[in-house]
Amino acid sequence: EAGVTQSPTHLIKTRGQQATLRCSPISGHTSVYWYQQALGLGLQFLLWYDEGEERNRGNFPPRFSGRQFPNYSSELNVNALELEDSALYLCASSLRSGTGDNQPQHFGDGTRLSIL
Amino acid sequence: GQSLEQPSEVTAVEGAIVQINCTYQTSGFYGLSWYQQHDGGAPTFLSYNALDGLEETGRFSSFLSRSDSYGYLLLQELQMKDSASYFCAVNTGFQKLVFGTGTRLLVSP
Repeated sequence: EAGVTQSPTHLIKTRGQQATLRCSPISGHTSVYWYQQALGLGLQFLLWYDEGEERNRGNFPPRFSGRQFPNYSSELNVNALELEDSALYLCASSLRSGTGDNQPQHFGDGTRLSIL
Repeated sequence: GQSLEQPSEVTAVEGAIVQINCTYQTSGFYGLSWYQQHDGGAPTFLSYNALDGLEETGRFSSFLSRSDSYGYLLLQELQMKDSASYFCAVNTGFQKLVFGTGTRLLVSP
């Protein structure tokens, strides 16, 4: 069974540019999550998508956005990039999740975004 | 605010037992999860507790006390490959996982 795949592995941008990160979930998983992991810090929740809809959002500005496609793959878009956006962006997927139940989240290897 | 506190680093020798504690203060609580992350790798799910008590999965066990807002991960028969960072995470609702800053476990021969 293929795991969660993310592309690209590395992405280098300059301030003010826009970045698009992609994620393909494990087959059969409908929920996709995005996290930011800055150097030396824990994971910060960004977004949760399920069945094509944004279900929850972390404390990030609106320039962080995304979408989920009919095949359940997902994109994270970051506009007007700032230096502090440099981080590892991790995507995870799970079986369909309700508000409070816990489906283990399976992570991809991440996209390392560097802002120059 | 939301906070999860874990020790920053723990050291142990092969074959030993180690406990990694996690105390939390969150606005919502639906369960406590543990993840392992090797350097340069993806986090991998280890265990989950929604109710008080001990959950055992092979060499790893996880405990939760909701009244104390406290949990721990117990690793037995430590192996070199267990050297990694371990994160606790609280599901605060709507699948928002709030992660601790992680505990780096160093296992020596």
